[in-house]
Amino acid sequence: GQQLNQSPQSMFIQEGEDVSMNCTSSSIFNTWLWYKQDPGEGPVLLIALYKAGELTSNGRLTAQFGITRKDSFLNISASIPSDVGIYFCAGYNAGNNRKLIWGLGTSLAVNP
Amino acid sequence: DTGVSQDPRHKITKRGQNVTFRCDPISEHNRLYWYRQTLGQGPEFLTYFQNEAQLEKSRLLSDRFSAERPKGSFSTLEIQRTEQGDSAMYLCASSASGQGFGEQYFGPGTRLTVT
Repeated sequence: GQQLNQSPQSMFIQEGEDVSMNCTSSSIFNTWLWYKQDPGEGPVLLIALYKAGELTSNGRLTAQFGITRKDSFLNISASIPSDVGIYFCAGYNAGNNRKLIWGLGTSLAVNP
Repeated sequence: DTGVSQDPRHKITKRGQNVTFRCDPISEHNRLYWYRQTLGQGPEFLTYFQNEAQLEKSRLLSDRFSAERPKGSFSTLEIQRTEQGDSAMYLCASSASGQGFGEQYFGPGTRLTVT
């Protein structure tokens, strides 16, 4: 099935560093979502974006809906150990009958 | 706790046995989704309900899989004659119509191991 291209695949950073990850698609989306998943748990919604060019923050997290509607970015500032986990992007179009199209995830490790 | 709940959290079964999982969505949500996730992958869509109507099923959902949402509230996912390839995390999510499209809220998942 369709998948989003998410990069990087994994990151290992020092506590306090900023993190950037992105997601691209060959097709446009009306909604971009960013989720975080801890081992053995379900994904938790972090940020939802609905408009091209939109920039939305949630605490230390900031995400942007790309102008072309084919990409999105997530930044985490001043990382802390509890930021460890897998971050997934997901795109949504009503035309997909309300299915989310997912990236493969970015695995983040933070060295305290 | 008003989030999505799933039961059981873990299930170990022998190949050939039937298993059933339950999902209780957020109470005001009329849309309910089932996904399957394997290691290193994002969730894969299985099926979707709006109220009690099952509106879409993925071709991943073989005839051994069946899902119901009889009263438009909780849902069950049954796998008959389990195979080792069915081992995965089964995730349930819910959303509300009128809410920002695509905002799906996930439960903690049911980890299935078929031996």
